[in-house]
Amino acid sequence: AQSVTQLGSHVSVSEGALVLLRCNYSSSVPPYLFWYVQYPNQGLQLLLKYTTGATLVKGINGFEAEFKKSETSFHLTKPSAHMSDAAEYFCAVSGYTGGFKTIFGAGTRLFVKA
Amino acid sequence: DAMVIQNPRYQVTQFGKPVTLSCSQTLNHNVMYWYQQKSSQAPKLLFHYYDKDFNNEADTPDNFQSRRPNTSFCFLDIRSPGLGDAAMYLCATSREIDPRGVAGKETQYFGPGTRLLVL
Repeated sequence: AQSVTQLGSHVSVSEGALVLLRCNYSSSVPPYLFWYVQYPNQGLQLLLKYTTGATLVKGINGFEAEFKKSETSFHLTKPSAHMSDAAEYFCAVSGYTGGFKTIFGAGTRLFVKA
Repeated sequence: DAMVIQNPRYQVTQFGKPVTLSCSQTLNHNVMYWYQQKSSQAPKLLFHYYDKDFNNEADTPDNFQSRRPNTSFCFLDIRSPGLGDAAMYLCATSREIDPRGVAGKETQYFGPGTRLLVL
């Protein structure tokens, strides 16, 4: 079975500050890991994903995430927050367990203060 | 631009009155998904189509049905909506090369969603 835990349902940062959104996963098979962003009243949009290879993954809008197998983590970071980053962020995991299914975390809402 | 389109964006229905939500895509992706997302919760997969093959999640209520008449369109039918079915319904697509790879490592492209209100 696979699962995702996002630590903190709400995170608030000041504009220009570091953004750190935490994601831990559980998977009995090699995981594929994703971060999606959802703006109000919109669908989800892929920020970045890890499948294989380099463990530091760069995505859109200046975000990046590092796959740490030993810590079963895939935290999302951005050096400097912008007001437009305010949104809901979902971490997700999938992997072949006789079939594939993407499991989403409960989400973290990011607030950016001026 | 290639995209996933959902209509309508907002749907109001009455308790027990059948309702259909629609999704279309110009990406020519072979897999289409329907998710239910309630407020402040993760999207929950209801079912998906791999080409014409329908795959229902074990915990999806019988009240929810789906149709995919062709590659581009997919419909979600709620036969008798209850108050608990009020939610955002998200359609997504992906291009899966590996037949085993549905909802797997390929990126899913989401539509903007249809918010359903049940009165």
